[in-house]
Amino acid sequence: AQSVTQPDIHITVSEGASLELRCNYSYGATPYLFWYVQSPGQGLQLLLKYFSGDTLVQGIKGFEAEFKRSQSSFNLRKPSVHWSDAAEYFCAGSRDTASKLTFGTGTRLQVTL
Amino acid sequence: DTGVSQNPRHKITKRGQNVTFRCDPISEHNRLYWYRQTLGQGPEFLTYFQNEAQLEKSRLLSDRFSAERPKGSFSTLEIQRTEQGDSAMYLCASSLLGVSEQFFGPGTRLTVL
Repeated sequence: AQSVTQPDIHITVSEGASLELRCNYSYGATPYLFWYVQSPGQGLQLLLKYFSGDTLVQGIKGFEAEFKRSQSSFNLRKPSVHWSDAAEYFCAGSRDTASKLTFGTGTRLQVTL
Repeated sequence: DTGVSQNPRHKITKRGQNVTFRCDPISEHNRLYWYRQTLGQGPEFLTYFQNEAQLEKSRLLSDRFSAERPKGSFSTLEIQRTEQGDSAMYLCASSLLGVSEQFFGPGTRLTVL
């Protein structure tokens, strides 16, 4: 069965520190992979996506993610976190352009000042 | 605002009542998805439409749930005889044919007393 796993439920970082959120996937073939962010009372906003090609993808708000086939991972990174980045982050995958998204359980990011 | 809209944003109902939610996708988006998100979890797929055709339904969608997209534009999700376990955020997303990126609405939060 297709699945996406986010091992970290909650992460706390200091403002200005670097961030890495982990995501592992289990699909028969390379899936389409996404990172979404959800702030309280807000819908899901797409940060970035990977389909093929360059394994390092750039997204909005200074985020990037690296696809590693050997590790079945698609980790999200940011070099310097801002207090406004505090939110819930979801990794998701799909088989193709038409399929449903399968989400991980999310990682809640807390930023301390 | 040309994003995905959902109404109502909040719904409180008593157990056993019927409720209906509406989703207006981004215009010209052919595909429309419904997801359900419970506290501390990622969104889970319920069903999706391509134009007016309902192409896939999750086993989560019991016979008390029904979704329609009569003219291929807006969609409604109805829950009959609500149960406390139906309390969740119901999210709608839309996408363009051939493009995997899904755009999410703000959601409808349902509370069943």
